[in-house]
Amino acid sequence: ETGVTQSPTHLIKTRGQQVTLRCSSQSGHNTVSWYQQALGQGPQFIFQYYREEENGRGNFPPRFSGLQFPNYSSELNVNALELDDSALYLCASSLGGGVSYEQYFGPGTRLTVT
Amino acid sequence: EDQVTQSPEALRLQEGESSSLNCSYTVSGLRGLFWYRQDPGKGPEFLFTLYSAGEEKEKERLKATLTKKESFLHITAPKPEDSATYLCAVQPGGSQGNLIFGKGTKLSVKP
Repeated sequence: ETGVTQSPTHLIKTRGQQVTLRCSSQSGHNTVSWYQQALGQGPQFIFQYYREEENGRGNFPPRFSGLQFPNYSSELNVNALELDDSALYLCASSLGGGVSYEQYFGPGTRLTVT
Repeated sequence: EDQVTQSPEALRLQEGESSSLNCSYTVSGLRGLFWYRQDPGKGPEFLFTLYSAGEEKEKERLKATLTKKESFLHITAPKPEDSATYLCAVQPGGSQGNLIFGKGTKLSVKP
């Protein structure tokens, strides 16, 4: 069974640029959630995708957007990067549709905005 | 407002010294409460899910319990490799599946 994978591991961007982060869900899972974790804080929910549709969104501006593909992998896009976007971005996969609520996390992408 | 508070923020133990971490929550209905372990710079590792008051789960030196307002993570005879940040999260009833996390408890176990 393959776990959740994310790419890239680290990324350095300049304020105002755009970035795309990628996530492959665990085998058999159809739901992907994205979280932002600032240093010393717990993860904050960005949004969730279930069967290629956005299924819920946290308190993040529209410049945070996402996609889920037919193979259930997912992308997180952030436009017009700000210094406060520097964080660990976590992807979690689960088996949605009310079957199971347990979310399994990937290793994360560390984004630094300068 | 749904909220999770973990205490203490940091805990230092000697190897073999048992203790408990606390997670208090305020949530509109509870679909589930989750415990994760997170090592520095890595993603959270799933430990337990608890669904209803009175439920208990165990794994090696860890035991999680749940009441209507809080959860405890009991660590029995910890070892240095148990050093990590332990995160508690709740999933509110009626949510779209998002987890609400506390800030975590950073546990250090000295040999």
